[in-house]
Amino acid sequence: DIQMTQSPSSLSASVGDRVTITCRASQGISKYLAWFQQKPGKAPKSLIYAASSLQRGVPSKFSGSGSGTDFTLTISSLQPEDFATYYCQQYNTYPLTFGGGTKVEIK
Amino acid sequence: QVQLQESGPGLVKPSETLSLTCAVSGASISSYYWSWIRQPPGKGLEWIGYIYYSGSTNYNPSLKSRVTISVDTSKNQVSLKLSSVTAADTAVYYCARLEVVVPATMPGVADYWGQGTLVTVSS
Repeated sequence: DIQMTQSPSSLSASVGDRVTITCRASQGISKYLAWFQQKPGKAPKSLIYAASSLQRGVPSKFSGSGSGTDFTLTISSLQPEDFATYYCQQYNTYPLTFGGGTKVEIK
Repeated sequence: QVQLQESGPGLVKPSETLSLTCAVSGASISSYYWSWIRQPPGKGLEWIGYIYYSGSTNYNPSLKSRVTISVDTSKNQVSLKLSSVTAADTAVYYCARLEVVVPATMPGVADYWGQGTLVTVSS
């Protein structure tokens, strides 16, 4: 299985901050990477696919980049509704696998 | 608007079979892939498997011997069965629509999710 490692596992940030989350794959996955946002008690929400393409309806403050083994999710200006846990997921190879998550908390 | 709704027993005894159903509305089940994903309390996400309306399936090898995913096109429903459950199978179970996103040729991105249902394995 392809292992997905996210860093950091948690971070504290203030409203208006620029936040970057990193995801590393244990082997190359081209651009077959998705990002999800999950709020407590809710299902994950798809944000980005193909490493950098925004899902319909997702605001442009979210952006993704990377290819191969190293990827990033950036939130340009953190807002109160963005405090959540973020997961990356590879779909280059089955089984589909997720990162361990990055919890973004209020400083 | 695509909506998915999971249902089934919230408590299952060890060694028994977990059975869940996902009712799909707003989309034809015959046009997409449908997946089950689970999340133990306080932990990360684990992909269980997917099914296409034709009946073609793909399961996570870690669960393959115990999992069956099926589809009922007449009811627009997808079902999950997980046999010989233990406490380690306690989790929120989600159904999700799985997209084939170009240039990928196989499904891989879950764009719509149900709200999830908590299944606890305990005697």
